[in-house]
Amino acid sequence: QVQLVQSGAELKKPGSSVRVSCKASGGTFNSHTVSWVRQAPGQGLEWMGGLTPIFNSSNYVQKFRGRVAITTDESTTTAYMELTTLRSEDTAVYYCARGSRGNLASWGQGTLVTVSS
Amino acid sequence: QSVLTQPPSASGTPGQRVTISCSGSSAHLENNYVYWYQQLPGTAPKLLIYRNNLRPSGVPDRFSGSKSGTSASLAISGLRSEDEADYYCEAWDDSLSGPVFGGGTKLTVL
Repeated sequence: QVQLVQSGAELKKPGSSVRVSCKASGGTFNSHTVSWVRQAPGQGLEWMGGLTPIFNSSNYVQKFRGRVAITTDESTTTAYMELTTLRSEDTAVYYCARGSRGNLASWGQGTLVTVSS
Repeated sequence: QSVLTQPPSASGTPGQRVTISCSGSSAHLENNYVYWYQQLPGTAPKLLIYRNNLRPSGVPDRFSGSKSGTSASLAISGLRSEDEADYYCEAWDDSLSGPVFGGGTKLTVL
């Protein structure tokens, strides 16, 4: 079973960018989709997008297109999610999760991103 | 507004059986598997049921899932205090080419 370990909490100012990392250990890395899911305070889960390394194929939810980029570094089995032009509504816990076609079997511990001036 | 519809809350007493529903459309539930996740307070979601009714190793058989058409449900029998959590359903959305979630159901064990 793969384990996913994310980077630590971030405090960002509006208009800036944040990059969250997600290191995978155990299991194969290339063949499964890495998704990023966020959860605003007191709210539900929201899929932002995903990337399948072996196909170098990414897909993003319309509302985040142009602001989010998901990348992977196969040499370090690490996935990254960068979100730009941050606003207060982006304050949330961001999770990486691994699985194909919705079967999100492994999750990172979550990274709190706070956007505040 | 979530794509999949769940009741916001559910409750039961220890030992009882509770069910949580999840409804969608042909773009999601009818043609794709449903998945259920359990999120204990302050923790990451955990896969509870996959492919409609299968349990990952380590998940007790008190948890079961079913799906019929555009509806699905999660049943928890022999309710225990440690089952108090938020539960989310999820399914693949063919038009989005990504997963969509229900709004979550907060289960309270009275």
